[in-house]
Amino acid sequence: GQNIDQPTEMTATEGAIVQINCTYQTSGFNGLFWYQQHAGEAPTFLSYNVLDGLEEKGRFSSFLSRSKGYSYLLLKELQMKDSASYLCAVRDRKAAGNKLTFGGGTRVLVKP
Amino acid sequence: DTEVTQTPKHLVMGMTNKKSLKCEQHMGHRAMYWYKQKAKKPPELMFVYSYEKLSINESVPSRFSPECPNSSLLNLHLHALQPEDSALYLCASSQAIGGGSYNEQFFGPGTRLTVL
Repeated sequence: GQNIDQPTEMTATEGAIVQINCTYQTSGFNGLFWYQQHAGEAPTFLSYNVLDGLEEKGRFSSFLSRSKGYSYLLLKELQMKDSASYLCAVRDRKAAGNKLTFGGGTRVLVKP
Repeated sequence: DTEVTQTPKHLVMGMTNKKSLKCEQHMGHRAMYWYKQKAKKPPELMFVYSYEKLSINESVPSRFSPECPNSSLLNLHLHALQPEDSALYLCASSQAIGGGSYNEQFFGPGTRLTVL
C-alpha cells in the first residue's frame, strides 16, 4: 500500500512564496504528480517528477528526492487565484494500471 | 481538443432512480477513469478502462456500473444509490495505463451528484 502525507492547510500573502511538502511511502515508485484543484472544479495537472531534482515551470517548481520519499511544490509570486487545493499523487509500478494514489490535499489560502 | 467533458454538471436523484453519468474525450487517449470525490477529500479511484476493457474495479458496489461503448466515451450507470453516495464524480483520461513519461491524467469538470 501507499501512505502519502501533506499538510492540511497553509496561508500565505500575495506576492510571497509558499512551499507545500509531500512525503510518501511506496514499494514501487514510478512518478509523482502535483495537481491544483479549485473548489468545485476538476484537478488540473501542474507537474511531474520521476527523477531526483527540481522541475521548474514559470512560477511553479517541484522537487523530488526518491531516497527520502519527499517532494515539494514551490509557488512563487503568489496571486489570489492561486488559492486552491494542491494534491500530491504517487504512481506505483506495482499497482495495476496507471493508478494514482492521492494525498489528502493542501488547501492554500492567499491573502491580500 | 485537450478537454474531457462530463454531463450532467449536477444531478439529483432518489434512491429508486436509475441515471447515467457521461464522459467524453477526443484526445485519442486509450485509458479512462472514474473517481469519486467527497468534500475536502482527495479523489478516490473507482474504475479504470484500458482499450475499452475494464482493467481495474476498486471493489465498487454493484449499484455503480461502468460502461465504455468506444474509445472516446465512458458512462457510469447508477441504480439504487444511497445518500452516502452523494459526491463529485470525476472522469479522467490518459494516453494509456502504466508508467513511462508523463502519461498524466486529464480530468473532466465532474458531475455533482446528490442522492435524496
